[in-house]
Amino acid sequence: GAVVSQHPSRVICKSGTSVKIECRSLDFQATTMFWYRQFPKQSLMLMATSNEGSKATYEQGVEKDKFLINHASLTLSTLTVTSAHPEDSSFYICSASSTGTWATGELFFGEGSRLTVL
Amino acid sequence: AQSVTQLDSHVSVSEGTPVLLRCNYSSSYSPSLFWYVQHPNKGLQLLLKYTSAATLVKGINGFEAEFKKSETSFHLTKPSAHMSDAAEYFCVVSDGTGGGADGLTFGKGTHLIIQP
Repeated sequence: GAVVSQHPSRVICKSGTSVKIECRSLDFQATTMFWYRQFPKQSLMLMATSNEGSKATYEQGVEKDKFLINHASLTLSTLTVTSAHPEDSSFYICSASSTGTWATGELFFGEGSRLTVL
Repeated sequence: AQSVTQLDSHVSVSEGTPVLLRCNYSSSYSPSLFWYVQHPNKGLQLLLKYTSAATLVKGINGFEAEFKKSETSFHLTKPSAHMSDAAEYFCVVSDGTGGGADGLTFGKGTHLIIQP
């Protein structure tokens, strides 16, 4: 099956620094990847849609200058949290769809990245 | 517009007893429906999916779900709970427009607790 790998799984940083999270599709090409944020004991909130070779599409209320998304290849999308602050601490999850599952909307999820900003 | 309602935020069962996690949906389209499981500090893993084929869908780890259009339900069941089933479960509906995550609606999740 389609595998999505996310790295790092955990990261702790100081306030004001930037953190990059990588999302890779290991055995398929993903022209579109999605970034979610999950607060404790809550469901997933879609942050943005990452399109290979073009600008990401952000959901309403998500600061595009705070959460920079780059999708430079068909297998890699990155999320950079710039000038991180404690309120950015959260669990970030990426996902992708493959050409075989595009029509149904099925997504393949990464393992998630736990960001803690001190 | 579409919506998903997971009727229970928490479900607690004893090991070896049946599991029932309830999900109701509304959709203007012919939806696809999914159940995902999330273990602590992990991503989401697909348990099973309904995509307009058989209404009784079998998934991994002994789970199954039945799509009931008349009741707009897609409840998840398992005959006998195992300790490893303790996790968060999400019911998800897709509006069938294909591919985009903005076409997905996530339920709020049901936390499954397994008592020894």
